[in-house]
Amino acid sequence: NAGVTQTPKFQVLKTGQSMTLQCAQDMNHEYMSWYRQDPGMGLRLIHYSVGAGITDQGEVPNGYNVSRSTTEDFPLRLLSAAPSQTSVYFCASSYGRTTSSVYEQYFGPGTRLTVT
Amino acid sequence: SQKIEQNSEALNIQEGKTATLTCNYTNYSPAYLQWYRQDPGRGPVFLLLIRENEKEKRKERLKVTFDTTLKQSLFHITASQPADSATYLCALVPSYNTDKLIFGTGTRLQVFP
Repeated sequence: NAGVTQTPKFQVLKTGQSMTLQCAQDMNHEYMSWYRQDPGMGLRLIHYSVGAGITDQGEVPNGYNVSRSTTEDFPLRLLSAAPSQTSVYFCASSYGRTTSSVYEQYFGPGTRLTVT
Repeated sequence: SQKIEQNSEALNIQEGKTATLTCNYTNYSPAYLQWYRQDPGRGPVFLLLIRENEKEKRKERLKVTFDTTLKQSLFHITASQPADSATYLCALVPSYNTDKLIFGTGTRLQVFP
C-alpha cells in the first residue's frame, strides 16, 4: 500500500491564481480530511469527508473547496489564492468516521504552498 | 472559547530521563484523545489513543493519562532517547456528535545525549 499520497510536494502561486491539491489513499478509508499547518498555529482542520459524496467544513474553510466523488480521492481546491494561504497542507485518512468509532489518522507527506 | 493548549516552549531533557508533555483543553467534552508525533518536514504519525473512561494507557516506553475533571492529558516518554526528539501533538474529537478531529499546537521535545 502506498498509504496517503499528496501532489505536488511544493507549489508557488501568484495571488489570484487557482489550483488543486491532490490527495489519494489506497486503504479503502471512509474518512478523509485536510489540514493546514502554520508556525505556532498547529494543525487546523479545513474540510473533511465521512464518505464519498459527503463533505463538511472544518475550523478554517474559507477560500477552499472540496469534493469527494470517489472513496480514494479528496482534492482540495483554492479558488483564488491569497498570501494568507501560504502554508503546509496535510491530507489525512482513517478507516471510519470519528463518531462511529475510534480510528487513528494516517497523514500524507504534505504540500508546501507559497502564495506571492 | 474552545481551545486545546500545549506548551509552546520546547522541552529539553537529558537522555534517560522521563519527558512529560501536557495537553489542556477548555469547553470540550471529548470522547477520546489521541497523541501524534511529527518529525520536521513530515506528516504526523499516530502514537496512542485514550478514551474518556480510561485513566491511563501504555505502549512500550509511552504512557498517556486522561483526567476529564482537570481537562488534561499527560504524555510521558520514559528512558528518553535522542531519537525521541520531535514535536508531539494531541488531538481530540470535541464531542460525541461531531466528526471533526481538532489538534493542539504541539510541543517540541529535544532529548540531549
